[in-house]
Amino acid sequence: GQQVMQIPQYQHVQEGEDFTTYCNSSTTLSNIQWYKQRPGGHPVFLIQLVKSGEVKKQKRLTFQFGEAKKNSSLHITATQTTDVGTYFCAVTTSGTYKYIFGTGTRLKVLA
Amino acid sequence: SAVISQKPSRDICQRGTSLTIQCQVDSQVTMMFWYRQQPGQSLTLIATANQGSEATYESGFVIDKFPISRPNLTFSTLTVSNMSPEDSSIYLCSVSGTLGPYEQYFGPGTRLTVT
Repeated sequence: GQQVMQIPQYQHVQEGEDFTTYCNSSTTLSNIQWYKQRPGGHPVFLIQLVKSGEVKKQKRLTFQFGEAKKNSSLHITATQTTDVGTYFCAVTTSGTYKYIFGTGTRLKVLA
Repeated sequence: SAVISQKPSRDICQRGTSLTIQCQVDSQVTMMFWYRQQPGQSLTLIATANQGSEATYESGFVIDKFPISRPNLTFSTLTVSNMSPEDSSIYLCSVSGTLGPYEQYFGPGTRLTVT
């Protein structure tokens, strides 16, 4: 089945540093979603991207969908300890309800 | 957004037994899903729970091992049958609408340990 890779797998940053995670697919995507899962918690929806080249911002978070709709990135500016968790992308190729989750990037922020 | 509860929150079971996990939503939803997440890993979709009909299973998951019920639009159960230690995992239910953007809301999960 389709695999969705995220890099890096782990990232440790000092508080205040920036962080970026990348989501890569071998096939053209219809939509992509991003979720955050805190340690011991469940995934929480952050955002959805639909259009080629789309960029969306939520405070310190910037999400981008690649021009070819095969990859996406999540960038966090000036990380805080509250950003700790695992960030997952979830993709669909059919534009319907079924999403495949990426491998995830675990972020640790050192105070 | 929907509020989702799961029971039990955790359980320790012996191999060969079965466990039924309940998922309750505070409002009627069209789509309900069951996922498995092993510690430190990503989420794997087990099946889509269809109201009034048989669940739709993903590759690698079968009804005999993971029977699912969905009697109405607010409730579903997942049974893990004839358990083995390999079934130790976190099981999550999620819901979404049928109109875009299909954002999913997850329950708190059930942590299952099979000894």
